[in-house]
Amino acid sequence: SAVISQKPSRDICQRGTSLTIQCQVDSQVTMMFWYRQQPGQSLTLIATANQGSEATYESGFVIDKFPISRPNLTFSTLTVSNMSPEDSSIYLCSVRTPGGLDTQYFGPGTRLTVL
Amino acid sequence: GENVEQHPSTLSVQEGDSAVIKCTYSDSASNYFPWYKQELGKGPQLIIDIRSNVGEKKDQRIAVTLNKTAKHFSLHITETQPEDSAVYFCAASQGYSTLTFGKGTMLLVSP
Repeated sequence: SAVISQKPSRDICQRGTSLTIQCQVDSQVTMMFWYRQQPGQSLTLIATANQGSEATYESGFVIDKFPISRPNLTFSTLTVSNMSPEDSSIYLCSVRTPGGLDTQYFGPGTRLTVL
Repeated sequence: GENVEQHPSTLSVQEGDSAVIKCTYSDSASNYFPWYKQELGKGPQLIIDIRSNVGEKKDQRIAVTLNKTAKHFSLHITETQPEDSAVYFCAASQGYSTLTFGKGTMLLVSP
């Protein structure tokens, strides 16, 4: 498995501002993902963070709104840009580990409230 | 693309009873089926998974069964305890493709 930490754990932000969420893993991983979980809902994949290249975004999510970086095999950031109250959600980092095939682990999440 | 249906949306049981959550999937090529437990205020925790080359897998009080012909899989929790109360998510994927999640089941175990 992998130990995943996220910063911040929660934040309250004003509309129109941006927030960058950090994801740190205790070991090198093959794949990193960012998910959004709206209140009382399931998990929706935002994008796959690719090391050294642009992230791969799912339908309905765009780079201008959710820029992602992955500078190495253990770290990634997700920025939520120009926030509105509709962006209030839990944002989750998720990883797959070498040798773990398709097994996927999740971080503790970042709880974002936009006023 | 893959579609995963999960039932029931809520499940209330008495402590000591068994709980069963069922999921169906649409893509016959899917071959990996994990289950996650999410407690309030926490991220999803992988509790058990099964691959399409087996029909059942057990881990203490938790078991998962898979019926590839009918394209459904189920989570079974025996001797439920209050600490089993959480939201449970099923998911499906094929190879290294991304996971498709069900909508979740809120399990409430009453003492």
